[in-house]
Parts: sequence; structure tokens; C-alpha cells
Amino acid sequence: RKEVEQDPGPFNVPEGATVAFNCTYSNSASQSFFWYRQDCRKEPKLLMSVYSSGNEDGRFTAQLNRASQYISLLIRDSKLSDSATYLCVVRRGYSTLTFGKGTMLLVSP
Amino acid sequence: DAGVTQSPTHLIKTRGQQVTLRCSPKSGHDTVSWYQQALGQGPQFIFQYYEEEERQRGNFPDRFSGHQFPNYSSELNVNALLLGDSALYLCASSLGPGQGEGETQYFGPGTRLLVL
Repeated sequence: RKEVEQDPGPFNVPEGATVAFNCTYSNSASQSFFWYRQDCRKEPKLLMSVYSSGNEDGRFTAQLNRASQYISLLIRDSKLSDSATYLCVVRRGYSTLTFGKGTMLLVSP
Repeated sequence: DAGVTQSPTHLIKTRGQQVTLRCSPKSGHDTVSWYQQALGQGPQFIFQYYEEEERQRGNFPDRFSGHQFPNYSSELNVNALLLGDSALYLCASSLGPGQGEGETQYFGPGTRLLVL
């Protein structure tokens, strides 16, 4: 079983739609959790950290359920510019990031 | 404020050759991590350098080696290249332990390596 698992998609949604991505992780010792965004042929960029209390940044909401080892990302009012691959990332210890394969989102007009 | 830079941007090599990739961290950062991203996969951790030493290593063979210089820049060396080494090689920089904001890793644009 992979350490971080995501549905690869693609998720095809129209502009204005709400879309949710899910991710599960296998190592209960994981300490920190993130969503990164990666545009085609570009480097990953941090979208947001994920906390047990949940956190929101504009149209983006992230949730963490430690008991179920489950992380989610909700995007409301999708924009064309949201089209990208969304990477679920966990960290054990200080520095090592473990990435999922990513979920591709395609937002159409 | 310069972000993370990597060179070269693209590289073509043949099997058996050796390659050196370079990374300069974001200004003020002293820790460099290297990742390999194969097509359709998420980045995989290769190793991390801090204070000119390898601190952590992922599941990569000894053909992958690195170095960090006193100015915090870093090199990734891959010997005896295999076709399967074709990938995007990403460098990420961060602050060392105990310096705050240590969680956030900033990625460079990557070096795209093709092994023929």
C-alpha cells in the first residue's frame, strides 16, 4: 500500500462548480499535512497546510481527520485558473515530504 | 528576493553516462532537498543536505549522490544512468531546524533529464 493515495482523476468540472479531493495516508506517525498545486511542466507550489481544526483560504478549504488518516480539499466556485494537479503531501519528522501521485483538475468554460 | 534556481533546465544523456544537476536555494535558506518526479507520479524524496552533510536519504541507490557547498548551494550527481532515471529533478529549499517556517519547502523549476 502506498504511503499517500489519491484518486488520479481527471476531474472535469464547469466553471463555478464545487469540487472535492480526497487523500488517505498509511503512516500514523505522519505529523504535518499539505496540499501542493502543480501546473503542467512546472514545479509544485504550496497551496495550503492542513490542520485538524480545518482551515480555509478564500475558496479553498482543507480538512484533516487523524483517526481515519484522511485529508480533503474543497474548492468552491472553480475558476479556469484552478486547472492543475493537486498533490497531497504528508511529512514525518522534520523534513521529508511524501507526495501522492496527484489529482488532475480540469475546469472548463 | 531570488527564489530557488536550478540548472540546467533540460538535459539529454545516454545510458551509462554521468550527470550533475545544480541548485541554489532561496535567499536565507540553508537546507536543500532533492526529489525525482517521473511522468505521471508525485515527487519522490532522494536526499536532504544541511550544514554540508546528508541528513536524510530516501530509497534511492548509491548511484545518486550529492553535495552541499558552504554557500548552501547543492549538486545532485547520478552515475551510470539508466533509462528509468529519466524524470524531472526538483530541488527544494527550506530553513534548517529551529529556525521557524521550517515546514515550508520552496521548489525550484526543476531539471528535465532524458536518458536515451
